[in-house]
Amino acid sequence: DGGITQSPKYLFRKEGQNVTLSCEQNLNHDAMYWYRQDPGQGLRLIYYSQIVNDFQKGDIAEGYSVSREKKESFPLTVTSAQKNPTAFYLCASKRYGDQPQHFGDGTRLSIL
Amino acid sequence: KNEVEQSPQNLTAQEGEFITINCSYSVGISALHWLQQHPGGGIVSLFMLSSGKKKHGRLIATINIQEKHSSLHITASHPRDSAVYICAVFRGGGADGLTFGKGTHLIIQP
Repeated sequence: DGGITQSPKYLFRKEGQNVTLSCEQNLNHDAMYWYRQDPGQGLRLIYYSQIVNDFQKGDIAEGYSVSREKKESFPLTVTSAQKNPTAFYLCASKRYGDQPQHFGDGTRLSIL
Repeated sequence: KNEVEQSPQNLTAQEGEFITINCSYSVGISALHWLQQHPGGGIVSLFMLSSGKKKHGRLIATINIQEKHSSLHITASHPRDSAVYICAVFRGGGADGLTFGKGTHLIIQP
């Protein structure tokens, strides 16, 4: 079955460390997205990519980095510059244009 | 003021009741999404609409573009409908990504 796989489901990070969240899709979707969800707030866009080897900052990109070397993969690195990384992170993808986004099951990141 | 506002924030109802969740937005959009998030966190897309009304099973979504308002209705609600329902808008025109409401936490009691 086609879908989006995020791993791991739970992730712990020590302060000062970088950590990478994985997102893989086998839907042959063109665009991929990373969102952050905090309690009591709506999801906010971190980064998105509409095509391989190209990506754009979203509303809250500071302290994060991404790459899009393959169409299927869009990993997110939470760097030590992100001062408040504890959150729930969701990856999504869609076909180009006004198409519905498909979401992964998310990764919950916590700081030790 | 948030660009996407949902009401109510929390809703508890009895099984079988008719449920309405509202969404108002303040920006021009090309499409509006209704999403469902279960306690584990995964999100499922319920509807994407740009005009009129869509129905899927016991779920109905409507949108009024002139009034910048959408509603999600659940008929004959069931405890398995308990979830967070999220309204999100797609602005199109080069602005990619969705803008989300804060969600409505729905609990259906048996």
